[in-house]
Amino acid sequence: EAGVAQSPRYKIIEKRQSVAFWCNPISGHATLYWYQQILGQGPKLLIQFQNNGVVDDSQLPKDRFSAERLKGVDSTLKIQPAKLEDSAVYLCASSYTGATEAFFGQGTRLTVV
Amino acid sequence: ELKVEQNPLFLSMQEGKNYTIYCNYSTTSDRLYWYRQDPGKSLESLFVLLSNGAVKQEGRLMASLDTKARLSTLHITAAVHDLSATYFCAVCYNNDMRFGAGTRLTVKP
Repeated sequence: EAGVAQSPRYKIIEKRQSVAFWCNPISGHATLYWYQQILGQGPKLLIQFQNNGVVDDSQLPKDRFSAERLKGVDSTLKIQPAKLEDSAVYLCASSYTGATEAFFGQGTRLTVV
Repeated sequence: ELKVEQNPLFLSMQEGKNYTIYCNYSTTSDRLYWYRQDPGKSLESLFVLLSNGAVKQEGRLMASLDTKARLSTLHITAAVHDLSATYFCAVCYNNDMRFGAGTRLTVKP
């Protein structure tokens, strides 16, 4: 079974630039999560989708972050404009439902300089 | 708001020793997960605990859940170097999964 795919693996941008991350979940998984993991901390939930609808985006900084999951499969997370404090690993995870085990992708390591 | 607290945050132990990592959470939940993360890697699922009193074991690791006390433990038996990693607990609440800060475990010869 193919795992959660994310790209790119690494990205370095200057502050105030824009960046986008892509995630392809495990086939058949209706629930998709985006997490932000700052070095030395646990993952922080940014947004959760159930199919193509948003379940929870209460911790998403909506003034600069946006996410979509068109057609209920792939998802993109965008930051515009980026700040230094956005430097982190962005993890995508998927599960059959919100109540089942989530599987994580390799993550995208973002460095904002 | 759901809060998940792990302790200790850092743990250095010798090979062959036993130790327990604790995970406390603030809101009623009947689902708890333990993940392992190696440096620079993603998270690997270790255990899924779905009910009060649940106990699961895999090799030298054993996880338990007490939903009344809002506490889960991850017990390490006779530690080996390969267990060195960061261990996270995650609690499911309203279909959200919230993580603790993690316990960075180092096993020394």
